[in-house]
Amino acid sequence: DSGVTQTPKHLITATGQRVTLRCSPRSGDLSVYWYQQSLDQGLQFLIHYYNGEERAKGNILERFSAQQFPDLHSELNLSSLELGDSALYFCASSVAAQGVDTEAFFGQGTRLTVV
Amino acid sequence: DQQVKQNSPSLSVQEGRISILNCDYTNSMFDYFLWYKKYPAEGPTFLISISSIKDKNEDGRFTVFLNKSAKHLSLHIVPSQPGDSAVYFCAARGLIGTASKLTFGTGTRLQVTL
Repeated sequence: DSGVTQTPKHLITATGQRVTLRCSPRSGDLSVYWYQQSLDQGLQFLIHYYNGEERAKGNILERFSAQQFPDLHSELNLSSLELGDSALYFCASSVAAQGVDTEAFFGQGTRLTVV
Repeated sequence: DQQVKQNSPSLSVQEGRISILNCDYTNSMFDYFLWYKKYPAEGPTFLISISSIKDKNEDGRFTVFLNKSAKHLSLHIVPSQPGDSAVYFCAARGLIGTASKLTFGTGTRLQVTL
């Protein structure tokens, strides 16, 4: 158990819909990262939050947005869903914001299926 | 643009033998490299890492080698055990402004056979 909790574990929804994925980081971790893993693809970095502030953006679509709340949990919002958005979405957390991140702890992921 | 590449999608090794997983990168600004292991239905877990100022790091059965001139790193598992069967991701740390991010490869599925 990494200490990172993601909910829900599975999600099936229709095209055009909007969903919210939730992540609770490890106790004490201020950084939260979101990654997407599509079929046969590596982990694609989406976005990084540190203590409530956005720190870095990766290949995140405009239809996607995220935020980190004062209690440090994070939500990833996916809207106008397309079939190609079907993927595993991972959240990871770590202690630091920059430079000294040497390890991130991953949750079990949310499997999103868009039908 | 895939900055971190794992060109072998799968590898099969006999129990007790050495497993060698390879990873190539293109960005010379990466300063830290990590290997993660992933079992089905679980998130990736950290395995071993190496700083760009070193060329080798060893932890038990796992050794990571870094060749900066070739922009290549490899993970050696000796001896391989059936429990090592998993997908292994190579990752590299780089900076975006003042924040760091990990760039992952596509993974290599290792199967250790009896």
